[in-house]
Amino acid sequence: DAGVIQSPRHEVTEMGQEVTLRCKPISGHNSLFWYRQTMMRGLELLIYFNNNVPIDDSGMPEDRFSAKMPNASFSTLKIQPSEPRDSAVYFCASSLWAGQDGANVLTFGAGSRLTVL
Amino acid sequence: AQTVTQSQPEMSVQEAETVTLSCTYDTSESDYYLFWYKQPPSRQMILVIRQEAYKQQNATENRFSVNFQKAAKSFSLKISDSQLGDAAMYFCAYRSRTGNQFYFGTGTSLTVIP
Repeated sequence: DAGVIQSPRHEVTEMGQEVTLRCKPISGHNSLFWYRQTMMRGLELLIYFNNNVPIDDSGMPEDRFSAKMPNASFSTLKIQPSEPRDSAVYFCASSLWAGQDGANVLTFGAGSRLTVL
Repeated sequence: AQTVTQSQPEMSVQEAETVTLSCTYDTSESDYYLFWYKQPPSRQMILVIRQEAYKQQNATENRFSVNFQKAAKSFSLKISDSQLGDAAMYFCAYRSRTGNQFYFGTGTSLTVIP
């Protein structure tokens, strides 16, 4: 298995531009998570999906952020318009969640480093 | 929400020596999982070790072992025979047995001195 695949690895953009980050989870995994990592705030959960349905988006900073999971093998995190304070590393992670059987672990992608000038 | 605390922002260890990274957590649940993840400079998050709360035996993975103290809500990671490749940020994480949300600590940056 190729693992969790994220693109792009690096993105540099100017304030006000739209940014789209992409994620392909591990085949067969039914849960997908978006995290943001900064020096100041550490690793923050933005949103997670179970079976393509958003379960908890309380970590999404504001309306400028949106996430979708149109099918089991693809998710996007969009920032529109982007601001310099959005500069961070964004991680996607997936897991196989079986409800009462809680043996699942998180597998992370390599992250997307976003710089907003 | 559960909280995970790593009180050591930075640690250092001499190569071949042993180091222990601390983690405490707060929960009212009796059944849960605890994890240690490693993030090297490549920034890829890698699972190091996992512990089930209902197991009294401490988990071990080669040079990595944990000291799980359920009553004290403590979950420390011991790295034996430290190697240069162990230099990384280490994150402690919690997940309830039936839930699907992972709670992470703020991380401990480990430096290995040659």
